[in-house]
Amino acid sequence: TQLLEQSPQFLSIQEGENLTVYCNSSSVFSSLQWYRQEPGEGPVLLVTVVTGGEVKKLKRLTFQFGDARKDSSLHITAAQPGDTGLYLCAGEAAGGGADGLTFGKGTHLIIQP
Amino acid sequence: GAVVSQHPSRVICKSGTSVKIECRSLDFQATTMFWYRQFPKQSLMLMATSNEGSKATYEQGVEKDKFLINHASLTLSTLTVTSAHPEDSSFYICSAPDSKQGLNTEAFFGQGTRLTVV
Repeated sequence: TQLLEQSPQFLSIQEGENLTVYCNSSSVFSSLQWYRQEPGEGPVLLVTVVTGGEVKKLKRLTFQFGDARKDSSLHITAAQPGDTGLYLCAGEAAGGGADGLTFGKGTHLIIQP
Repeated sequence: GAVVSQHPSRVICKSGTSVKIECRSLDFQATTMFWYRQFPKQSLMLMATSNEGSKATYEQGVEKDKFLINHASLTLSTLTVTSAHPEDSSFYICSAPDSKQGLNTEAFFGQGTRLTVV
């Protein structure tokens, strides 16, 4: 069973601050995805990283996939109240297909104005 | 991106009754769909994998007779919570992977169903 350790599980910071969320595993993933979920809604895909060492940017969000494809990070610069939500990382097992995704426990992020 | 529609978004039922939740892939065929349960401020917990034309695969600890899954077509999976009890109250979410040839699988989620059993 592949496990994804996501940290921190809860983070409350002031508007304008920077933050990083980590997703770590001892297993190799063929891809890793980051989702954002707002209360009462389903998760929405933010980005997929595939190549070891890959860095993707989405406005103020920077996603990185570890060289060994076992870990990933999400960095938010100058956080805004609109960034508040539950951030989930999910890894696709090597071999892919319809085996499903392994989810981290999520990071509840609150950005205070 | 692909669209997954889940219905209803919110339901309140009496204890002992059954509730059916539908999950539809609107613009792609989904031979597999996943059903999750989510408790407040927690991550998604996989309940079962729904397979079109065959029996669902349940995760350990999930009662298959309690949570009936039917995946009768390539675009529809249903989850029926039978003889619901207050402890079944939760947020249920379905997802369907859309595997594009040569690309990685991405999961598309329904909007979720808030079930309250009174």
